[in-house]
Amino acid sequence: AQSVTQLGSHVSVSEGALVLLRCNYSSSVPPYLFWYVQYPNQGLQLLLKYTSAATLVKGINGFEAEFKKSETSFHLTKPSAHMSDAAEYFCAVSFGNTDKLIFGTGTRLQVFP
Amino acid sequence: GAVVSQHPSRVICKSGTSVKIECRSLDFQATTMFWYRQFPKQSLMLMATSNEGSKATYEQGVEKDKFLINHASLTLSTLTVTSAHPEDSSFYICSARASMYEQYFGPGTRLTVT
Repeated sequence: AQSVTQLGSHVSVSEGALVLLRCNYSSSVPPYLFWYVQYPNQGLQLLLKYTSAATLVKGINGFEAEFKKSETSFHLTKPSAHMSDAAEYFCAVSFGNTDKLIFGTGTRLQVFP
Repeated sequence: GAVVSQHPSRVICKSGTSVKIECRSLDFQATTMFWYRQFPKQSLMLMATSNEGSKATYEQGVEKDKFLINHASLTLSTLTVTSAHPEDSSFYICSARASMYEQYFGPGTRLTVT
């Protein structure tokens, strides 16, 4: 069965520090992978997606993620955190010819001044 | 980018009543929309897939008679929570499919059943 695991429900970084949010997936078929951000009481905004093209995917707001098949990972990174990056981040996987998304449990990012 | 709206953003209703939530794609047509439920500090759980002009497909464990979905047009899907109870209180989020692997999410509806 397909699933997504996000390691670390909370991540805290200082402003300007590297952001690393971890995501591992399990899929018996080639996956399509997504990172979404959610601000309080709001819907989800797509940060970036991997759909079998380049393994290093660049997204909005300076975020990027690398698909590593050997590690079944799709970790999200940003070189320098901003206060405005504080939010909940969800990794999601889709597979086959459906658009059904399976979400990870989310990681809350806190950014300290 | 594409915009999806939801109405209402918040609703409080009494136990036993029904509540309708609308999801609209404002600047694109969506033959497929999805309904999710999110409990506090938890992830999103897919409830059902809504297809324009046909019956919705519900995920395992979701009561189709309790959560009625209607996708009557290419820009509107509705979720009706029938005979709501306090345990139905949650944050309901819809998304609309713009193209393959491209979904846009609404801002969510917070339902509180008293």
